Amino acid sequence: TQLLEQSPQFLSIQEGENLTVYCNSSSVFSSLQWYRQEPGEGPVLLVTVVTGGEVKKLKRLTFQFGDARKDSSLHITAAQPGDTGLYLCAGSFSGTYKYIFGTGTRLKVLA
Amino acid sequence: ETGVTQTPRHLVMGMTNKKSLKCEQHLGHNAMYWYKQSAKKPLELMFVYNFKEQTENNSVPSRFSPECPNSSHLFLHLHTLQPEDSALYLCASSLPQGGTDTQYFGPGTRLTVL
Repeated sequence: TQLLEQSPQFLSIQEGENLTVYCNSSSVFSSLQWYRQEPGEGPVLLVTVVTGGEVKKLKRLTFQFGDARKDSSLHITAAQPGDTGLYLCAGSFSGTYKYIFGTGTRLKVLA
Repeated sequence: ETGVTQTPRHLVMGMTNKKSLKCEQHLGHNAMYWYKQSAKKPLELMFVYNFKEQTENNSVPSRFSPECPNSSHLFLHLHTLQPEDSALYLCASSLPQGGTDTQYFGPGTRLTVL
């Protein structure tokens, strides 16, 4: 069974703090996506990483894809209440239409 | 707005009802997906369609019946559901290109089975 473990599962922090969410697997992915989902809504794409070792930045969010393309991290600098939500990672396998989703990290940023 | 729309957004139905969920994508993608999201569980892939052909059916009970008339539209027909089928049903689409297989999701349909 292919799994994508995310940690931590829950995170409650104060506004202005930094945090890192991890996504780990034993599988090698052709690409990996990070999404943010708010209650009652669908996941919204934040980023896709493709190359091992790749780092992408989206304002205060920094995404890294592991060298072996088995793991990824999401770092948020100076978190804001608007960052609150469920963060999901998903790994894909080229040409298979198959995606493995992580267990999710529920983030709450307190004002 | 992700380019993937779903209707209805909310649905309450009895166990003997028949209803359908609709998904439409305006992104020119060729693959469409149905997922089930229950509380405290990872997303569960239900069905995958590639160019209208079903390529995945992850042991989904027959009370869920998908239909994909073209690459832009996807339906999920529901009949004689059980209360444990209550969940958020998400539609997604993608256009696999050289290893960059990114899915785009609709807003979901919150289904409650009484």
